[in-house]
Amino acid sequence: DQQVKQNSPSLSVQEGRISILNCDYTNSMFDYFLWYKKYPAEGPTFLISISSIKDKNEDGRFTVFLNKSAKHLSLHIVPSQPGDSAVYFCAASGVDSNYQLIWGAGTKLIIKP
Amino acid sequence: GAGVSQSPRYKVAKRGQDVALRCDPISGHVSLFWYQQALGQGPEFLTYFQNEAQLDKSGLPSDRFFAERPEGSVSTLKIQRTQQEDSAVYLCASSWGGTGGRGSNQPQHFGDGTRLSIL
Repeated sequence: DQQVKQNSPSLSVQEGRISILNCDYTNSMFDYFLWYKKYPAEGPTFLISISSIKDKNEDGRFTVFLNKSAKHLSLHIVPSQPGDSAVYFCAASGVDSNYQLIWGAGTKLIIKP
Repeated sequence: GAGVSQSPRYKVAKRGQDVALRCDPISGHVSLFWYQQALGQGPEFLTYFQNEAQLDKSGLPSDRFFAERPEGSVSTLKIQRTQQEDSAVYLCASSWGGTGGRGSNQPQHFGDGTRLSIL
C-alpha cells in the first residue's frame, strides 16, 4: 500500500519554462512534507519542505503547494535550468510516526536545452 | 568533511557472507536514520537512532539486520548471512534535532549511500 505516490515516472521540460512535479498521499495523519532532489550515484539532497498548517512555501525558484483536501502537493520550478535535471522525490511524515519519512518512487525530470 | 559520509561506496559479497556498512553523520547531529533503496523506488525506512538509543527498528526486514550507534556518532549497519534480496543501496541520513528531521530548519541530510550487491 503506497502512502505516497508520484504517478509520473518522468517529465521533460524546455529550459526556461516551468516544471511542475506532482505528489499524492493517502494518510491523513501526514503533516509535514518534503521534496528531495537526487543525482545519479549521490544521496538525496533536501530542497524544500512544507508543514500542513501552510498551503504554500517558496524558496527562490522552488515553490511547494499543498492541497490538504485533495491530499496533493506539487513542486514548481521556475525557470527550469539544465542543472535541475535529476530525480525528484516527495516524502512525508506524520504525527503518528514523527521521524519516519515515507517516500514516493520519484519523478525523473529532464530539462531540454 | 561537512556532510554525511558512508563507506564503502560499493560492496560485493557472496550469499551467506556477513557485511558491515558504516555511516559518519554530520558532527553534532542527534538523529540518525538508515534507509534501504531498491532500484526505481524511493528509500524505505529501516531504523532510527536518537544519540546512542535505537528508538525504532521496525523497518529492519529480518533479524539478520542489526544496527548500532554505541557512542552516539558513527553508526554501523550489519547484515548477517546475506541473501540476494538484500541487494540495494543503503542510505544513511542525519538531522540536527531530536525530532528526526521534522521542521523546516532541520531536514534529514543524506550520505551518498552504499551499493550492496549479493552474488
